[in-house]
Amino acid sequence: GENVEQHPSTLSVQEGDSAVIKCTYSDSASNYFPWYKQELGKRPQLIIDIRSNVGEKKDQRIAVTLNKTAKHFSLHITETQPEDSAVYFCAEKGNTGFQKLVFGTGTRLLVSP
Amino acid sequence: NAGVTQTPKFQVLKTGQSMTLQCAQDMNHEYMSWYRQDPGMGLRLIHYSVGAGITDQGEVPNGYNVSRSTTEDFPLRLLSAAPSQTSVYFCASSYRLGGSGAYEQYFGPGTRLTVT
Repeated sequence: GENVEQHPSTLSVQEGDSAVIKCTYSDSASNYFPWYKQELGKRPQLIIDIRSNVGEKKDQRIAVTLNKTAKHFSLHITETQPEDSAVYFCAEKGNTGFQKLVFGTGTRLLVSP
Repeated sequence: NAGVTQTPKFQVLKTGQSMTLQCAQDMNHEYMSWYRQDPGMGLRLIHYSVGAGITDQGEVPNGYNVSRSTTEDFPLRLLSAAPSQTSVYFCASSYRLGGSGAYEQYFGPGTRLTVT
């Protein structure tokens, strides 16, 4: 079945550094790859997504890259700030009729001032 | 718009009890889903619905029932609660963005359930 591996499980950086989180998926038919941010005690919220016909997408300090051949995608956060501290989840959607997302296990990012 | 709402926010059950977690959305989204979130395991899909009257099982459906009589509501029923169902439950709604296969899931605030 569909599976998403996410690494690392925890990531600590200094404010201003860059952070990279990587996910690997198994379903070659997957065509949609969102990233969600979940602050402590809050609901997950979409921060950026990428479709299979695009290799990279950027939105201010965050970017996502997709390598379909290797079946992995990554979240890049530049100039990290303490408010970036949260748990980040990657997800992928297979090419089925329903938009069933499979989530990674999450990365806890801690940005120290 | 209130978005996606869930009740209750917290619940404690004894083993064997049953209850219903409520979920409602006012965005006229056709798709709705229930997830459970456990430490180190991410979000796992329990049940989902692609429209009123249509439901299907997700990754971890055992012990749960759902129904979708209206577009707005998607309750999750725990038939006989077990300690293994202690978790945070999130309801989500979404719509498809044209023909791209892309869409955004809007999550509710969650229900923290403890089964003793």
